[in-house]
Amino acid sequence: EPEVTQTPSHQVTQMGQEVILRCVPISNHLYFYWYRQILGQKVEFLVSFYNNEISEKSEIFDDQFSVERPDGSNFTLKIRSTKLEDSAMYFCAGGDRENTEAFFGQGTRLTVV
Amino acid sequence: GENVEQHPSTLSVQEGDSAVIKCTYSDSASNYFPWYKQELGKGPQLIIDIRSNVGEKKDQRIAVTLNKTAKHFSLHITETQPEDSAVYFCAAKWGRPGTASKLTFGTGTRLQVTL
Repeated sequence: EPEVTQTPSHQVTQMGQEVILRCVPISNHLYFYWYRQILGQKVEFLVSFYNNEISEKSEIFDDQFSVERPDGSNFTLKIRSTKLEDSAMYFCAGGDRENTEAFFGQGTRLTVV
Repeated sequence: GENVEQHPSTLSVQEGDSAVIKCTYSDSASNYFPWYKQELGKGPQLIIDIRSNVGEKKDQRIAVTLNKTAKHFSLHITETQPEDSAVYFCAAKWGRPGTASKLTFGTGTRLQVTL
């Protein structure tokens, strides 16, 4: 079964540092999303991507965050100047059907110390 | 914006019994309602979804019902098995053509199936 691949699985970073989280989506997917989940809390939307551009972004997704598609297929989520409260699981998701998050990756656990 | 409430937060059932998880949503424009199962250390896994033009959908032991008037939807799991133990999330979105719109998740239900 195809899967969404995220790397690294766990990232520890010092407060104030920049981190880059990577996602390899399923090849025929057209809709892409980033979500995060703070430990024990619900899944929160960050940003979505369709037709090679950002489709929607949440109020969380401020100037500290950016998303890129450096090689036209893979995705990166960059978090600049990390804060303690950025510690969470970050999930990449995608779908081939209209606007659905059919497949989630296994996530990257980000720990900011 | 959309707000999704989910109940109960924890649910313990005996193997073979049924489990029901209920969610309500606030935005009447929402038209897509997926359910996800999340096991420890893994990402959410889509188990069933329903669109607003359908009132009920079934897939083997799981079913989802939608009441648009009351703005609530439910997940039903019959003949529960130990491997059904996980956290279940409901979600809702207004899916618009040509955009990748956000999904709003409920707070999750931890289901434990005991032997």
